[in-house]
Amino acid sequence: QKEVEQNSGPLSVPEGAIASLNCTYSDRGSQSFFWYRQYSGKSPELIMFIYSNGDKEDGRFTAQLNKASQYVSLLIRDSQPSDSATYLCAVGDVTGGGNKLTFGTGTQLKVEL
Amino acid sequence: DAGVIQSPRHEVTEMGQEVTLRCKPISGHNSLFWYRQTMMRGLELLIYFNNNVPIDDSGMPEDRFSAKMPNASFSTLKIQPSEPRDSAVYFCASSLGLSPETQYFGPGTRLLVL
Repeated sequence: QKEVEQNSGPLSVPEGAIASLNCTYSDRGSQSFFWYRQYSGKSPELIMFIYSNGDKEDGRFTAQLNKASQYVSLLIRDSQPSDSATYLCAVGDVTGGGNKLTFGTGTQLKVEL
Repeated sequence: DAGVIQSPRHEVTEMGQEVTLRCKPISGHNSLFWYRQTMMRGLELLIYFNNNVPIDDSGMPEDRFSAKMPNASFSTLKIQPSEPRDSAVYFCASSLGLSPETQYFGPGTRLLVL
């Protein structure tokens, strides 16, 4: 059973600070990694994806991947109250001709004024 | 453009009743996914289709669950008979091909089985 682990939080950070969200995965062969944001009562929306080791930046968001350690993280710079949400880590599985995602249970982020 | 459309948005039913959830994918998307989200288990993939054909149904919890995609613009997820432990939010998502980068979620159906 492939597993994706996240700390459920809540992670509280002050406005303007850097929020660091972490995720570990069990399948060493995993090749694709995704971060989704989910506001309370809403559906998940994709905010970042990363395939290669290292960092990938998009605006205030940076995804970091370390395949050797089976670890992926999401950094949010200059955190805003509107970033308060649950962040879901997902790992892709391309076996069997498909591309299915296994999700972690999410980390709740609270950005405080 | 309209996103993924799901109906109903809320459903309350009694144990033993049949429940049918409906989904209309984004026009032009040829892959469709059904997910279930609970506090305990998080977001789980139940089944997905590519070009109307089921590719992987290993996430379907048991025979009480069935899903169909009769055409490119419509899919159903049926639970018969329903049980209280089926209470969850059910999301439908669609994508262009099987690429997760193009996967968009619908608003979800919140199901409560009494």
